[in-house]
Amino acid sequence: GENVEQHPSTLSVQEGDSAVIKCTYSDSASNYFPWYKQELGKRPQLIIDIRSNVGEKKDQRIAVTLNKTAKHFSLHITETQPEDSAVYFCAGSSRSGNTGKLIFGQGTTLQVKP
Amino acid sequence: DAGITQSPRHKVTETGTPVTLRCHQTENHRYMYWYRQDPGHGLRLIHYSYGVKDTDKGEVSDGYSVSRSKTEDFLLTLESATSSQTSVYFCAISGVGADTQYFGPGTRLTVL
Repeated sequence: GENVEQHPSTLSVQEGDSAVIKCTYSDSASNYFPWYKQELGKRPQLIIDIRSNVGEKKDQRIAVTLNKTAKHFSLHITETQPEDSAVYFCAGSSRSGNTGKLIFGQGTTLQVKP
Repeated sequence: DAGITQSPRHKVTETGTPVTLRCHQTENHRYMYWYRQDPGHGLRLIHYSYGVKDTDKGEVSDGYSVSRSKTEDFLLTLESATSSQTSVYFCAISGVGADTQYFGPGTRLTVL
């Protein structure tokens, strides 16, 4: 089955710097890769996703890149702000018949220092 | 936020007691999921449903059962709660394509 590894587990950056979180997946059939942001005590919120037919997707300060050959994808946050501080989770899809499941990475705690 | 609610939001119970958590959605989505979240483990899938009365196990299903008698409700039951089931439980829903998932607010369960 699918396995998703996420690195680093913690990341500390200065406000205004960029942050990069990387994930690798094992199932070459995976075709959907979302990223979630979870603030303390809150639910995970989808911030961006990418499908296997594209290599990059951007949304303002957030971008995701996908390398299908190497089976890894990354989240890039530019011009980080204190409100970007949260736990970020990557996930990969795992299909069984017509049922979609997501396998999540272990999470990255991002701290943006003012 | 998608129309997902969970109840109760907090619960403290004792070892050996049965516990039922409820997830309710107003989006008419076909797919519903139960996850548990523990430090260092991320989000792990317990059970999921792909339609009324259609359910299947996830990666950490031991000690849990589920039921879905209506599209809008997905129940998670701990038949005999154990301290290892202390966790935060999230429900999620997904529509056509069963890819993008939206999460409920979570239930914090403490088993003493």
